Amino acid sequence: AQTVTQSQPEMSVQEAETVTLSCTYDTSESDYYLFWYKQPPSRQMILVIRQEAYKQQNATENRFSVNFQKAAKSFSLKISDSQLGDAAMYFCAYRSARLVVGANSKLTFGKGITLSVRP
Amino acid sequence: EPEVTQTPSHQVTQMGQEVILRCVPISNHLYFYWYRQILGQKVEFLVSFYNNEISEKSEIFDDQFSVERPDGSNFTLKIRSTKLEDSAMYFCASSDERGRNNEQFFGPGTRLTVL
Repeated sequence: AQTVTQSQPEMSVQEAETVTLSCTYDTSESDYYLFWYKQPPSRQMILVIRQEAYKQQNATENRFSVNFQKAAKSFSLKISDSQLGDAAMYFCAYRSARLVVGANSKLTFGKGITLSVRP
Repeated sequence: EPEVTQTPSHQVTQMGQEVILRCVPISNHLYFYWYRQILGQKVEFLVSFYNNEISEKSEIFDDQFSVERPDGSNFTLKIRSTKLEDSAMYFCASSDERGRNNEQFFGPGTRLTVL
């Protein structure tokens, strides 16, 4: 079974600074997807960024980028120019790319990290 | 932009009562999911549903739970006899393709409180 580990329960960053959130995972599969989801106080789950394991290039989405190290099974999220609206809980998640007839693979989440942004 | 909706936003019930949580997935989506998040803990997969059948379920999804797509738009999660430990945030999600690059879109969640 796949597992996702987020060992830092909380982090804090100064507005306009850069912060990196860590995530490691364990899997025996070679093809999969990794995600970072943001959960603000409203509790809505919002997809921030996605990485396909078969792609060597790290995904980037505006101020958000990832450092994907497949051999190390590490998937960190970097937030540049942090804004007050970035304050939220961030979840790392894994999904198998294995195609099962009639089924779509579930997301496996880490425990999340609470990010606070200091003005 | 299309979105997943869930009702109610907050449900309070007595232990032993039945509850039905409702979700309206995005209209052209074919795959549906329920996840739950106990306060302060991680989001956990409950069940996935495709073509009017359960595709996959977790150990959490025991005989007290059931899912249904009663019409062309709603997707429901029923808990037959609620327990205190069922108190959690329940998220519905949907996706369109099962191939590469599909994304699961989440609803805003229903907070279930069992007293």
